[in-house]
Amino acid sequence: DTAVSQTPKYLVTQMGNDKSIKCEQNLGHDTMYWYKQDSKKFLKIMFSYNNKELIINETVPNRFSPKSPDKAHLNLHINSLELGDSAVYFCASTPTGSTEAFFGQGTRLTVV
Amino acid sequence: AQRVTQPEKLLSVFKGAPVELKCNYSYSGSPELFWYVQYSRQRLQLLLRHISRESIKGFTADLNKGETSFHLKKPFAQEEDSAMYYCALGGFGNEKLTFGTGTRLTIIP
Repeated sequence: DTAVSQTPKYLVTQMGNDKSIKCEQNLGHDTMYWYKQDSKKFLKIMFSYNNKELIINETVPNRFSPKSPDKAHLNLHINSLELGDSAVYFCASTPTGSTEAFFGQGTRLTVV
Repeated sequence: AQRVTQPEKLLSVFKGAPVELKCNYSYSGSPELFWYVQYSRQRLQLLLRHISRESIKGFTADLNKGETSFHLKKPFAQEEDSAMYYCALGGFGNEKLTFGTGTRLTIIP
């Protein structure tokens, strides 16, 4: 199946822990994103990578560190998790020359 | 700066009634507008894009550059239309897709 896939789907962890979320797309897209959807359903861009290079970093705390080992993967590592980090994190990708985004199924992160 | 405004956070409509979800945008370049839909606990899916001028699930949206609007319409609402709807703005040559705050549409049986 051609898609954007994220793992894990659910993540429950304690405050202060470090965790990673992985994203892979096999659509051949050059640009990948991380979005955060909070409890009010606001959807906000966090990062964007184009062909492994960071192009957008939207005032996200530096506890969040994206890593793109190749253009098909964009992982999100979060250090020292806080209660306010609880949200659904969506990975997305777009083809070259378009901003039509294809989304992963989301990772619901709960920090307790 | 690019900005998307969806003035209604919540919208309830009776089944069979017309639906209109409002979206206004601000962008200095040539805009690319989209509507995304998120059904309960599912991923966001593309519903419509302005460049294709198509109708999906009975929904249509017309880009009005004079009013900088891209309202989503459907003549007769169905119960399965209940979902969260996001208007999104990109731009040709622009890597950033900006979302509005979303409108939760509830169809009343």
